[in-house]
Amino acid sequence: NAGVMQNPRHLVRRRGQEARLRCSPMKGHSHVYWYRQLPEEGLKFMVYLQKENIIDESGMPKERFSAEFPKEGPSILRIQQVVRGDSAAYFCASSPTGLADTQYFGPGTRLTVL
Amino acid sequence: DQQVKQNSPSLSVQEGRISILNCDYTNSMFDYFLWYKKYPAEGPTFLISISSIKDKNEDGRFTVFLNKSAKHLSLHIVPSQPGDSAVYFCAASAQDGNEKLTFGTGTRLTIIP
Repeated sequence: NAGVMQNPRHLVRRRGQEARLRCSPMKGHSHVYWYRQLPEEGLKFMVYLQKENIIDESGMPKERFSAEFPKEGPSILRIQQVVRGDSAAYFCASSPTGLADTQYFGPGTRLTVL
Repeated sequence: DQQVKQNSPSLSVQEGRISILNCDYTNSMFDYFLWYKKYPAEGPTFLISISSIKDKNEDGRFTVFLNKSAKHLSLHIVPSQPGDSAVYFCAASAQDGNEKLTFGTGTRLTIIP
């Protein structure tokens, strides 16, 4: 059973461009969490999705950020009109149940905004 | 508002000795606590957890202690091994159906051979 996959692993964007980060959960997992880690900080919750539904997006910036988890395919975190402050490592975690100790993390996507 | 705090950014311990990593929290709604280990360029890996109804949980070389009244938990690793060198994150959740994790800022543990 493959682990959580994230791609790309590294993404470089210029200010004003769009960034799309993909997360393929483990087989059988219908819960996906996205977290962001800014330099020298811990991971911060962004959004919790369960197949086709956004359960909690309280950690998402109000503008420019959106997330989806379609019935088929990976979960996508989309950042429009990126700014330098969006530079961070973005991690997704998938879970079969949503319980805290069943969240398996992917390797992360490191976004650099020039 | 840092609800989970790890006040030691780094810790160095001799191989074979005990490593003790500390974590404090402020949100009394948290009732489940976890420790993760993270290597560079990888995602966090779950190590051990504890529910608020317990004060100790042990798994091999790893033991987590919880002091609810002090809102404090600690991770003990004994004996420490070179492969334990990593960044350790404390995390907490409220088991209310949305178990998003609130992380501390991490402690970089270095085991000295």
